[in-house]
Amino acid sequence: EDQVTQSPEALRLQEGESSSLNCSYTVSGLRGLFWYRQDPGKGPEFLFTLYSAGEEKEKERLKATLTKKESFLHITAPKPEDSATYLCAVRSGGSYIPTFGRGTSLIVHP
Amino acid sequence: SAVISQKPSRDICQRGTSLTIQCQVDSQVTMMFWYRQQPGQSLTLIATANQGSEATYESGFVIDKFPISRPNLTFSTLTVSNMSPEDSSIYLCSVVVGVGGNQPQHFGDGTRLSIL
Repeated sequence: EDQVTQSPEALRLQEGESSSLNCSYTVSGLRGLFWYRQDPGKGPEFLFTLYSAGEEKEKERLKATLTKKESFLHITAPKPEDSATYLCAVRSGGSYIPTFGRGTSLIVHP
Repeated sequence: SAVISQKPSRDICQRGTSLTIQCQVDSQVTMMFWYRQQPGQSLTLIATANQGSEATYESGFVIDKFPISRPNLTFSTLTVSNMSPEDSSIYLCSVVVGVGGNQPQHFGDGTRLSIL
């Protein structure tokens, strides 16, 4: 059974204070690791897909990296508008159905 | 990606009643899903909505409680039947656009349901 653990559950940063969110996973045959951003009152918004260890993807202040056991979402010089819950999900085998973590709630103070 | 519209966006319902949630996509999609999201919990898949056939339900979810329709490739409904306070949650529609098995899911903004 696939498992996804995200840490920390909550993170408070000052504007400009860089940090990383962690997503540890256990799957048999990774078919993709997905990062989403979810704002209050909204559905999850797709950010990145990573497929293999060593892969990196960037978007504005966000950079996602992947190893064989975990993924990091690095946030460089965050701004208050980066405040959201960040969800990680993994897909394995031939299924379209990913397993989601519980998310990390990020608050960036001005 | 696709534009996914869910209706209603929120509702407050009485115990024992039923509510149907609609999901409309602006393009034909191969896969449609219904999720439940409870505070502090991960997204939980209720079922895969199959076009022209019965939905495929995950363990713990049954058709009598959560009947699903998918009459075409752009539309689906989820009904929450005989509601109780435990059904208070966010219900999300999601879709996979394209083929290949590696495409991400895209989500609507959800229906926030409160049962009194």
